[in-house]
Amino acid sequence: DAGITQSPRYKITETGRQVTLMCHQTWSHSYMFWYRQDLGHGLRLIYYSAAADITDKGEVPDGYVVSRSKTENFPLTLESATRSQTSVYFCASTSSSRELFFGEGSRLTVL
Amino acid sequence: GQSLEQPSEVTAVEGAIVQINCTYQTSGFYGLSWYQQHDGGAPTFLSYNALDGLEETGRFSSFLSRSDSYGYLLLQELQMKDSASYFCAVRDHLNQAGTALIFGKGTTLSVSS
Repeated sequence: DAGITQSPRYKITETGRQVTLMCHQTWSHSYMFWYRQDLGHGLRLIYYSAAADITDKGEVPDGYVVSRSKTENFPLTLESATRSQTSVYFCASTSSSRELFFGEGSRLTVL
Repeated sequence: GQSLEQPSEVTAVEGAIVQINCTYQTSGFYGLSWYQQHDGGAPTFLSYNALDGLEETGRFSSFLSRSDSYGYLLLQELQMKDSASYFCAVRDHLNQAGTALIFGKGTTLSVSS
């Protein structure tokens, strides 16, 4: 199916565990982004990527790692999850500066 | 750095007009965007202003004044389904690599009958 998909949609994990959130888009968009959304903070940029093998930090990158070996995939890894990383994570992509297309979100709970 | 300010909540009745303001501070400026998000869902694009003036798309309009670092989203003929969160966002340089969209904290619009 065309579009941008995130997996898993829901995840419960424990403090200290490694978690990877997957993001896949079928449009061949150059740019991809990871945001987290928390009450009172809106959408905050974690990492972004301008193309395969090009990634850069956003506003809140600490505790996260990304990679982009293929244009269509942009996984986000929490190497050692903490309770403060409980959040809703949105992946987005675009081919231009005009419009971002968001996935449906991954809801992560860290116990 | 970047910062965007918008009201946290707005309430209105069906059929009314509401304006959501956004002021921003950025190191560079490449346009002001607006996104809508219904409860728990994915944000969706509403409008984009790169130049000063008003852009109209159906019941929604967006305005930009670059000299005032200010914009607004105007929603007319409000409907219950317009109840949602609305985010302004600016594209700005974060690092050397390129630009990315930075979002405000969002305005929750509640429309009542």
